[in-house]
Order: sequence, then structure tokens, then C-alpha cells
Amino acid sequence: IAGITQAPTSQILAAGRRMTLRCTQDMRHNAMYWYRQDLGLGLRLIHYSNTAGTTGKGEVPDGYSVSRANTDDFPLTLASAVPSQTSVYFCASSDPDRTTGELFFGEGSRLTVL
Amino acid sequence: GQNIDQPTEMTATEGAIVQINCTYQTSGFNGLFWYQQHAGEAPTFLSYNVLDGLEEKGRFSSFLSRSKGYSYLLLKELQMKDSASYLCAVHDSNYQLIWGAGTKLIIKP
Repeated sequence: IAGITQAPTSQILAAGRRMTLRCTQDMRHNAMYWYRQDLGLGLRLIHYSNTAGTTGKGEVPDGYSVSRANTDDFPLTLASAVPSQTSVYFCASSDPDRTTGELFFGEGSRLTVL
Repeated sequence: GQNIDQPTEMTATEGAIVQINCTYQTSGFNGLFWYQQHAGEAPTFLSYNVLDGLEEKGRFSSFLSRSKGYSYLLLKELQMKDSASYLCAVHDSNYQLIWGAGTKLIIKP
């Protein structure tokens, strides 16, 4: 693989269930991010990690948790899903040593909570 | 609060030129990005401006005026494949990315 891989690409989930969205990158980027994208709104940062072993809260962290055990993997967990968490979730990474620091995105995970 | 404004939707004709504007009010500024996002796909990086002026990259150019809190993305010789959403984003003083809601560009033959 080259880039960022997310799984699953799509999922329908009953409210109250636990769900983990997986994200793996092979670019050896230190920084990784989870965003959600909803119609009419900009991308909103859920959690981020500047390097393996550290994580931080973004703009909309409630109801979500992350871990960063190594450089490549950055899973996002919904402990008890609610309908307002229906969204498209994007994982992204960046190389802070690059001049622009642009983000590289995964293909997204479309989650529907009923 | 921090805010980025861009038009919700624009329509242009194949072969023409279109300018997508972005204005921002952020706590500090450390660069402005434009991303392209086709429907159902991930955003992809288009351009980056940190100094005032015009950056040209093929058919796409991006302009920045830091004093006015303003940027635009200029697309020339429009092609049908340019139909997409264009996202403006700004790095604030803490290098947090602030995103606009995106401009949906519709290209008509």
C-alpha cells in the first residue's frame, strides 16, 4: 500500500454499539488526524497525534477516543455510538518537516448510526 | 471566533475561467491551503500560500493578501473533471487548521 488506508469504508451501526475505525499509513509521517465531514460544514478535527505515544483533543472530541501505539496506526473508537455521530470520517497524516505541511487523506469511512 | 468564508456553490462553463474566493478571520496566520475534493472522495492538496502574491501551478493559481485576510483560487481552461468542491483552510498561530465549508464548483458543457 502507499498512503493512508481506512477501514471500513462504510458501516451501518445501531445506537449504543461500540465501533472502531481503523487507519494505517505507510509514509512514516509523525502527525496523524481524525476529521469528520458533515454537509454544509467544514472538516472538523476530532483528535490528533503529533507523534507516536501522544494524542490530543480537537474541536469535537466528545464521544470519541484514539490511541497511537506506533507511527503507522491511529484507530478512532466510538464507545457508544449515537445518531449525531453519523458522518464521513477522514483520517489524515502530515510530515511536519515539509515546507507546506499539507495533509494526506485516507479515502474516508462513511458511518451511519441508527 | 475563527472563521473562513467561501461561497457555497459556483457554476462555470467548460473552457472558461473561474475565481473562488476565500476570506478568513483567524487568531494568527501561518499559511493558507486549497484542497480539491471530488464527490465521495478524499480531499487532495492543491496549493499553499504563506506570503502575499500569486502562486501558479499549471491551470490553477492561488493568490493571498494577508492584510486583507483574503485568498482566491483561479482555475483556467476549465474541464469537466474540475467539477468538485474546493476547500480553503488556514493555519492559525498554533498551526491548527481552520477549514471553510467548501465551494461546490459545477462545470457545464
